[in-house]
Amino acid sequence: QSALTQEASVSGTVGQKVTLSCAGSSNNIGNYAVGWYRQISHGGPKTVMFGNSLPSGIPDRFSASKSGTTAFLTISGLQPEDEADYYCSTWDYSLNARVFGAGTNLTV
Amino acid sequence: QVQVQESGPGLVRPSETLSLTCSVSGLSISESYSSSGGSCWGWIRQAPGRGLEWIGTICHGGTTYNNPSLRSRVTLSIDASKNRFSLTLTSVTAADTAAYYCARDSIYPYDGLYLLDDWGQGTLVTVSS
Repeated sequence: QSALTQEASVSGTVGQKVTLSCAGSSNNIGNYAVGWYRQISHGGPKTVMFGNSLPSGIPDRFSASKSGTTAFLTISGLQPEDEADYYCSTWDYSLNARVFGAGTNLTV
Repeated sequence: QVQVQESGPGLVRPSETLSLTCSVSGLSISESYSSSGGSCWGWIRQAPGRGLEWIGTICHGGTTYNNPSLRSRVTLSIDASKNRFSLTLTSVTAADTAAYYCARDSIYPYDGLYLLDDWGQGTLVTVSS
């Protein structure tokens, strides 16, 4: 049972806006920055959101936000190449460990 | 641009020790961390068909963070002279079969930042006799 809860799957069409969520608690998301990671066909993960910052090379169609103990990753203008598994992660001070969500499979 | 690359054996026998190394380029391990935070170096794994599991993170100077579920079997180390860091996992079983990834781990505890940044492509380790 992960400390972070993500949708198992989300689907969208090309050009659409989709939002993925990552629900946690005050032990983690409520007090720490959240990272979002994309993984295509079990290749190496790639960081798509570093807290509120876009890493170099990630298009500005990607944005992140947080409301209380839930974090969100929004992809605007969905593209076929956005199809992947997306994981959220942050620190949990009660576990004294980094935690990952179980991942959301995004289908375009 | 920071790049990291895993290396190590792809097959380990049950009860033996798994050892992996991650080579870093584009950033000096010894110059990228201070008492207020900076770039540390982490290991993450992914069992077949499963999600990501954090193993642990080490910072230059000796600070380490470990997954409580693996702590008793995990040792992390840094060889700053070769700009690389390593993972050893003892007493492996089939449950340790996974793709192992190394990554740069940006840690600024006072700012609440514990964020993974640059990832390696991963190396598959199979535990089997």
